Amino acid sequence: QQPVQSPQAVILREGEDAVINCSSSKALYSVHWYRQKHGEAPVFLMILLKGGEQKGHDKISASFNEKKQQSSLYLTASQLSYSGTYFCGTEISGGGADGLTFGKGTHLIIQP
Amino acid sequence: DAGVTQSPTHLIKTRGQHVTLRCSPISGHKSVSWYQQVLGQGPQFIFQYYEKEERGRGNFPDRFSARQFPNYSSELNVNALLLGDSALYLCASSLSTGGQETQYFGPGTRLLVL
Repeated sequence: QQPVQSPQAVILREGEDAVINCSSSKALYSVHWYRQKHGEAPVFLMILLKGGEQKGHDKISASFNEKKQQSSLYLTASQLSYSGTYFCGTEISGGGADGLTFGKGTHLIIQP
Repeated sequence: DAGVTQSPTHLIKTRGQHVTLRCSPISGHKSVSWYQQVLGQGPQFIFQYYEKEERGRGNFPDRFSARQFPNYSSELNVNALLLGDSALYLCASSLSTGGQETQYFGPGTRLLVL
């Protein structure tokens, strides 16, 4: 079942913060976050495994709430380069054989 | 190190034709997955191969097939093309299988079916 991402789109000024959510109706083994710019391949940001954790590098971090089966991606002090479409990909079994199931994406536009 | 490479970058075919897309994974990666991404949507899983064996298949018709070679490169074949097959086809490689493995995507092959 496809995870639900929210919001669908967000427009920010440079330096503002953003939160993107990814919710699943099924118990998740892992959540993978990617950013895709127009006409390019998805670029890996981070992976979170079940057990509830938070990860981050630079000004991008993420959390995984196992109770709610929800992951959130946090972008702080956004930069112009953060613009793009953010996808969460979820994996249920842990075996990997079912691939990742991606949400419809969140379009992020950063304005100067 | 070279990332995932795919060829060709663009392709135009007509309905009913057959197409073969190619992917070379990151050096050392033994698993290749194929995804279809239609405009405005997230990638949709087609196949996963590991050590030359099919490990997983998504909800796609039998017109779609794939294989992995001893050097871990992979081909995706689509027969009897339909207009709805027009999409960006992405290949992703990972060290092995498993939900904890990071999948790295290639630049994709953009297929247009007329």
